[in-house]
Amino acid sequence: EPEVTQTPSHQVTQMGQEVILRCVPISNHLYFYWYRQILGQKVEFLVSFYNNEISEKSEIFDDQFSVERPDGSNFTLKIRSTKLEDSAMYFCASSEFRHNTEAFFGQGTRLTVV
Amino acid sequence: QKEVEQDPGPLSVPEGAIVSLNCTYSNSAFQYFMWYRQYSRKGPELLMYTYSSGNKEDGRFTAQVDKSSKYISLFIRDSQPSDSATYLCAMSMDTGRRALTFGSGTRLQVQP
Repeated sequence: EPEVTQTPSHQVTQMGQEVILRCVPISNHLYFYWYRQILGQKVEFLVSFYNNEISEKSEIFDDQFSVERPDGSNFTLKIRSTKLEDSAMYFCASSEFRHNTEAFFGQGTRLTVV
Repeated sequence: QKEVEQDPGPLSVPEGAIVSLNCTYSNSAFQYFMWYRQYSRKGPELLMYTYSSGNKEDGRFTAQVDKSSKYISLFIRDSQPSDSATYLCAMSMDTGRRALTFGSGTRLQVQP
């Protein structure tokens, strides 16, 4: 069964460092998303991406965040200068065009900022 | 008032019980409703997706939506220990916005 894959599964970084989280969405999907879940809290939307541009973003997705689809398969989230409060599980998701809200999630990358 | 409210649980039931999980929402612009299951430290797994009021059944799972009351439910029949997980409701608005708004999740424990 096709799945969304994310790497790494766990990333530890020092405050102020840049991190790149990587995702391979399901191959025939056209919409891509990043969500995050701080430990014990709700899953929160960060950004959606379609046709090589951001289609929607939340208040959380400020200037320190960026997304990119550098090739035909990868989708990345970059955090430029990490803060302690960026520690969370980051989930990538993807959905087909015609089933636009059936989003399938990856297993997540646990980001720990120290 | 939070946009999506979900009974936090935890909910503990014996194996074979019928489980009812519920969410209410305040924003009538929500049109699409999903239930996800999340095991500890894993990604949400899509269980059910619906966009109309009424019931939708898939195996042991039934999703119910009442848009007039802004209330959605997930029923699990013949619950199994493997159903033990956190269940998240999620919803989104019309096709112009795709972001999912999640409930806080209900932790379910099915006792063998």
